Amino acid sequence: DQQVKQNSPSLSVQEGRISILNCDYTNSMFDYFLWYKKYPAEGPTFLISISSIKDKNEDGRFTVFLNKSAKHLSLHIVPSQPGDSAVYFCAASGYNNAGNMLTFGGGTRLMVKP
Amino acid sequence: ETGVTQTPRHLVMGMTNKKSLKCEQHLGHNAMYWYKQSAKKPLELMFVYNFKEQTENNSVPSRFSPECPNSSHLFLHLHTLQPEDSALYLCASSQDPGAGRFGYTFGSGTRLTVV
Repeated sequence: DQQVKQNSPSLSVQEGRISILNCDYTNSMFDYFLWYKKYPAEGPTFLISISSIKDKNEDGRFTVFLNKSAKHLSLHIVPSQPGDSAVYFCAASGYNNAGNMLTFGGGTRLMVKP
Repeated sequence: ETGVTQTPRHLVMGMTNKKSLKCEQHLGHNAMYWYKQSAKKPLELMFVYNFKEQTENNSVPSRFSPECPNSSHLFLHLHTLQPEDSALYLCASSQDPGAGRFGYTFGSGTRLTVV
């Protein structure tokens, strides 16, 4: 039972355009949602988070939107840059079947073309 | 040194070998984790330690044996592994298992190849 899902395994975007990465979840008890960025052969690095009581959080070129009624969040990157090419994981914090911890989605590979 | 440090970065081992992966965090966190990332698969949680006590063992085979001597150090002892165990093994830490707004801090991982 995957409680956090990223249905698009990959996304290709032209440099300068907007990248939109999507994530769906099933557990309404999650209290924070996070996005991580991962380069090959490196560990994921924290990018941005949003509390479940907010609907938007912005940090520079990165904005995360949360739609609680749809149990959906998205990460917008604008403008996209070639250095943004990486795998992006969404994650949710809160209680799941195993206890209070972070649950990850399967990741979306973003490719930004120059 | 700051953050989460994993050694070695790369490891090649035979199926009959015994080796250990090491993780060290200098963040004052109380919880540490082992994750496995295989090619084209999601991050798989293996073990969770909170204040040196193991609180989660996610149905991991006994050929993987974790050890947490203190809140700053975490080991993963490996023995009689299979080729399908080849993967990137990631260590992470957090203030507590309720990751909250800051989530986990990950190390760079150990790329393990079993031959």
